[in-house]
Parts: sequence; C-alpha cells; structure tokens
Amino acid sequence: GQQLNQSPQSMFIQEGEDVSMNCTSSSIFNTWLWYKQDPGEGPVLLIALYKAGELTSNGRLTAQFGITRKDSFLNISASIPSDVGIYFCAGQDAGGTSYGKLTFGQGTILTVHP
Amino acid sequence: NAGVTQTPKFQVLKTGQSMTLQCAQDMNHNSMYWYRQDPGMGLRLIYYSASEGTTDKGEVPNGYNVSRLNKREFSLRLESAAPSQTSVYFCASRTGGGAKNIQYFGAGTRLSVL
Repeated sequence: GQQLNQSPQSMFIQEGEDVSMNCTSSSIFNTWLWYKQDPGEGPVLLIALYKAGELTSNGRLTAQFGITRKDSFLNISASIPSDVGIYFCAGQDAGGTSYGKLTFGQGTILTVHP
Repeated sequence: NAGVTQTPKFQVLKTGQSMTLQCAQDMNHNSMYWYRQDPGMGLRLIYYSASEGTTDKGEVPNGYNVSRLNKREFSLRLESAAPSQTSVYFCASRTGGGAKNIQYFGAGTRLSVL
C-alpha cells in the first residue's frame, strides 16, 4: 500500500525559531493536507494543497505541494508556545472510487521552549 | 457547531468483551471514516462509508465491524476485544467526491483492552 515518510519525528525548539518538516510518498497524490493535533483532541486541518508546485500560507504557516506530487513541506515561522502538538501530513486520493481516503505520515512532535 | 461527535471519550475493556464506538456528524456529509492512531504510526484507516448504505474495508479492518446507521451516524464495533486493539480511535466525515473536499475529525475515543 501507499506509504508516507514524515520527518523529523520530533523537534525541540526555542520560542521564536522557525520550523521545517516534510513528507515523502512512494506514490502520487492529488491533494496534500497538513493537520495539527493537540493533546486529547482530533486532528485539525491547517493547510490543504491541490496542485503540484502550489505554495499556500495560513498565518505563520507555509506549505508546498512538491512538483513530483510525491512530497510536501510545512514551515512554521517565529514559533510560539501554542504551536506545540503533533503535525501530520496526509495524502488524499480524491478521484474515482477512492472516496477521499487519506494516507497519513507518522507525525512530527513539536515542543517549543519559552 | 458540534461537527463530528464521538462517544465514549474513554473506555476500558477486558479481553473478549465487546463494545460499540459511536460517531455522529451534523454537517450533512456523505462520507464517513474510522481510523485508529498508534504511537509512531500516524492514523490508519479501519473502515469507511462513501455514502449512506455502503461500507468498505480500509487498511486494518480485521477484528472490527461497522454500521452506517443513517447519513449522520457511523458506528464501529469490536466483537471480541484484544489487547492489540488498545488505541485511540477517530471518526471523520467528508462532504463527498471532489479534490477540494476534506475530512473533519472528532475528538477521539481512547480505548484500553486489558
């Protein structure tokens, strides 16, 4: 089946630093999604990417849909303590009989020290 | 807005017991999904329902059954719980087909099987 490799697995940073994480896939996706999960909660969508090469921002977050359609990147600028959580990438098969099934990366655990 | 509601939030079972996890969405979405989340493995799809009246297996369906009771509700049943089913379970829903439709998640059910 499809596999997503997400890295790094964890990050410990100081408040104010920038953060980068990425996902690579063994197959092509039509859509790349980035979710954040706070402790005790479900994943919440941060950014959705629909086209190869697309670069999209949401406040201090910027994500890119790789040209090959097999990778995606998420950057967080000027991190703050509330950025703490687990960040997941997910590839979505949108067409045909796939019914929008998601394949998730393993997650990046982000810790921000004040 | 309630979104996706899961019950219960926590559950402890003994090996061999059965239980049903409930999920309901109030967004009039067509598609619903059940995932399990284990440390270091991201979220894995158990079953999904593309529309009312249909269900299909996902990546890890063994040991589970599902029922799409109506458009709002999608339940997950463990007939004979095993310790390997200790996990956090998430329900999600999605409007339907199309690349720009995304999944929205509930807060999860934390299940321990002793």
